[in-house]
Amino acid sequence: AQSVAQPEDQVNVAEGNPLTVKCTYSVSGNPYLFWYVQYPNRGLQFLLKYITGDNLVKGSYGFEAEFNKSQTSFHLKKPSALVSDSALYFCAVRALSYNTDKLIFGTGTRLQVFP
Amino acid sequence: KAGVTQTPRYLIKTRGQQVTLSCSPISGHRSVSWYQQTPGQGLQFLFEYFSETQRNKGNFPGRFSGRQFSNSRSEMNVSTLELGDSALYLCASSLVGFSGSYYNEQFFGPGTRLTVL
Repeated sequence: AQSVAQPEDQVNVAEGNPLTVKCTYSVSGNPYLFWYVQYPNRGLQFLLKYITGDNLVKGSYGFEAEFNKSQTSFHLKKPSALVSDSALYFCAVRALSYNTDKLIFGTGTRLQVFP
Repeated sequence: KAGVTQTPRYLIKTRGQQVTLSCSPISGHRSVSWYQQTPGQGLQFLFEYFSETQRNKGNFPGRFSGRQFSNSRSEMNVSTLELGDSALYLCASSLVGFSGSYYNEQFFGPGTRLTVL
């Protein structure tokens, strides 16, 4: 079955420190991977995607993600966290089967950046 | 460009009633997808419409239905509401959506918060 996992419910980091939000996936075929962020009372905002090409993908707001095929991971990173980065982060994978084509989301990781 | 808009933003219904939610995609986007977000189940895909046709469907009962109009606006209907239908319903639009090897990222609306009493 195609799936995506975010092993951490919450990640705490001090402002100015680097942050990592973890994501692992399981798909058949080449993965299409995404990161979205959700602020309170808002919809999801697209951060970045990996379809093909360089394993290090750069996205919005200084975020980047590293695709690792051997570890089936797509961790979200930022060199220096801001308090305003505090939000709920979702990893997603495109799940393509014989009868459907859709995005599967992870359960989300709440990022808390402390001043 | 204006973003994805959803109406209403908040809705309170009682069990057994039906509800219709509306989504207006970004101008030029032809694909509209609907998702249900709950604390317990997370984000789950309901269905995707493209050019007025349902192209993909998630694992939800038939009480959940939708449609898309010629201007790409979409509506989602839930009949015979249950308490468990209380959720944030998100709509997302993209240029062509899920289409073979070509995929555009989705842009999400702010959601409609449905509460079933």
